[in-house]
Amino acid sequence: DQQVKQNSPSLSVQEGRISILNCDYTNSMFDYFLWYKKYPAEGPTFLISISSIKDKNEDGRFTVFLNKSAKHLSLHIVPSQPGDSAVYFCAASALQGAQKLVFGQGTRLTINP
Amino acid sequence: SAVISQKPSRDICQRGTSLTIQCQVDSQVTMMFWYRQQPGQSLTLIATANQGSEATYESGFVIDKFPISRPNLTFSTLTVSNMSPEDSSIYLCSVRTGAHSGNTIYFGEGSWLTVV
Repeated sequence: DQQVKQNSPSLSVQEGRISILNCDYTNSMFDYFLWYKKYPAEGPTFLISISSIKDKNEDGRFTVFLNKSAKHLSLHIVPSQPGDSAVYFCAASALQGAQKLVFGQGTRLTINP
Repeated sequence: SAVISQKPSRDICQRGTSLTIQCQVDSQVTMMFWYRQQPGQSLTLIATANQGSEATYESGFVIDKFPISRPNLTFSTLTVSNMSPEDSSIYLCSVRTGAHSGNTIYFGEGSWLTVV
């Protein structure tokens, strides 16, 4: 039972353009969402989060959008830079639970010069 | 944020042996978590380590295989017991900062274990 899904295992974007990473979830109890960036053999690095009371959160080049009715969120990176090449994980948690995170499978983003 | 240090960062282990991974945080935290990422897979929660009480294990993980200690609010250990090649993974310690739910969960650098 995959409660958090990232249906695109990989994405290739040209430098300077917008990268859009998508994530879907099935558990309606989830109300806090996070995006992490991960390089091989390293721990995930927190990027940005959003709670269910918002539909958008922005931090520099990163913006996360949440569509609760569709149970869908997306991460926009603009402009994309070569250093953004990594695996991006979407994660979800329920505030009333133990705040443990449920992760998607990840999307490998490659930024081409 | 929190600075989380893990030891060892990488190790090659013999089948049947056990290895203990240490996690040190630079501030006191209530909740610490241990995750695993097997090759090509996503991150999976092993257990929640709470100071002063037994760890809470997720489905598919048991205390005999993954004993956890949490002696204080800044330190935890995870032991991978009687290792087999299927235990080859990155093991990640993470903490939740802040007293209120919804605060961010941060991760250590991970401990990459290869079982031969």
